[in-house]
Amino acid sequence: NAGVTQTPKFQVLKTGQSMTLQCAQDMNHNSMYWYRQDPGMGLRLIYYSASEGTTDKGEVPNGYNVSRLNKREFSLRLESAAPSQTSVYFCASRYAGTINEQFFGPGTRLTVL
Amino acid sequence: RKEVEQDPGPFNVPEGATVAFNCTYSNSASQSFFWYRQDCRKEPKLLMSVYSSGNEDGRFTAQLNRASQYISLLIRDSKLSDSATYLCVVSRTGTASKLTFGTGTRLQVTL
Repeated sequence: NAGVTQTPKFQVLKTGQSMTLQCAQDMNHNSMYWYRQDPGMGLRLIYYSASEGTTDKGEVPNGYNVSRLNKREFSLRLESAAPSQTSVYFCASRYAGTINEQFFGPGTRLTVL
Repeated sequence: RKEVEQDPGPFNVPEGATVAFNCTYSNSASQSFFWYRQDCRKEPKLLMSVYSSGNEDGRFTAQLNRASQYISLLIRDSKLSDSATYLCVVSRTGTASKLTFGTGTRLQVTL
């Protein structure tokens, strides 16, 4: 099992460009999450999908959109990148049971110039 | 005020030392509590859940005080491999298991 995978690992964008961060999990998890991590801020939830077919906003959704393509895949799109979106982005997944553990992907380091 | 607050450190301790991290949370509706570990430039990984009665996993002991809204992590006999950032994490009732992270406490264990 690969667990949670993310592509790309690194990306540099210019202001105004768009891109999609891809995330996939092979653990048959129901819930998936997108976070960003900035120095001094901790991880902050951008969007989440409690189950296939549903998505909801997290703490910092502005400037982002998501798609839960199927049970395995959850993508994050930046329509018009801004320097404030320079960050490390983590995708996570969780099985909808009594255990609350989230499993994280390796992250995408995004720089917006 | 941040929902989860931690001392950022760094805590620099010699191998074999005992070190304790503290964390406070502001929302009394918080239901589940965790410590995650994050190595430099890596993803967070669950270290242990924190139960009301306190729990131990090898050299690691976690405590929860709901009345004071306080969580702690004790590491005994520190190893070089314990060097990492430790994230205090809480989850509230009815929030689809969304996690709220503290900014983390960095630990550096030295020879």
